[in-house]
Amino acid sequence: KQEVTQIPAALSVPEGENLVLNCSFTDSAIYNLQWFRQDPGKGLTSLLLIQSSQREQTSGRLNASLDKSSGRSTLYIAASQPGDSATYLCASKAAGNKLTFGGGTRVLVKP
Amino acid sequence: ETGVTQTPRHLVMGMTNKKSLKCEQHLGHNAMYWYKQSAKKPLELMFVYNFKEQTENNSVPSRFSPECPNSSHLFLHLHTLQPEDSALYLCASSRETSGSYNEQFFGPGTRLTVL
Repeated sequence: KQEVTQIPAALSVPEGENLVLNCSFTDSAIYNLQWFRQDPGKGLTSLLLIQSSQREQTSGRLNASLDKSSGRSTLYIAASQPGDSATYLCASKAAGNKLTFGGGTRVLVKP
Repeated sequence: ETGVTQTPRHLVMGMTNKKSLKCEQHLGHNAMYWYKQSAKKPLELMFVYNFKEQTENNSVPSRFSPECPNSSHLFLHLHTLQPEDSALYLCASSRETSGSYNEQFFGPGTRLTVL
């Protein structure tokens, strides 16, 4: 059974610093890995999706890497801004065609 | 705006009530999902529909009953719920369920409180 872990559960950084968010998964036979952002009490916004054949995806200040052999994905957010404050969730799609979510990392970017 | 809408946004119900949650997607997708997000727990998949057929029931209690009349609409019928069922219920859609590129798009959720 796939298990997805995100450590740390919470992170606080000053504005302008780069953010590094970690995601680990136990079953390396994944189809893809997706990163989401969730604001308090709201739904999820998809940020990046990395297919199993890819090593990374980039969108603006966001870059996500995938290392299936080690069961890890990392989301980098460059030059963080207060508007980046949110909870970031990763989810892997493995056998059974369903997403398994991590517990999320709550990020606070201080002005 | 993700193209997935959910109503109502907030719902308070007693344990003997019957209510329904509604989800609609305007993305032309064929797969729809119900997720439950409880405080301090990871998002849990509840049900999956692909081309209107239920393909996944993640051991969900029968007091939750899904309905998918067409590929654009998904309902979650609720009856005799328990206080521990209070959570944020999220709906999502994707092009279909198989394949390595099937990005899921989420609605804003329904915040359910069971008294």
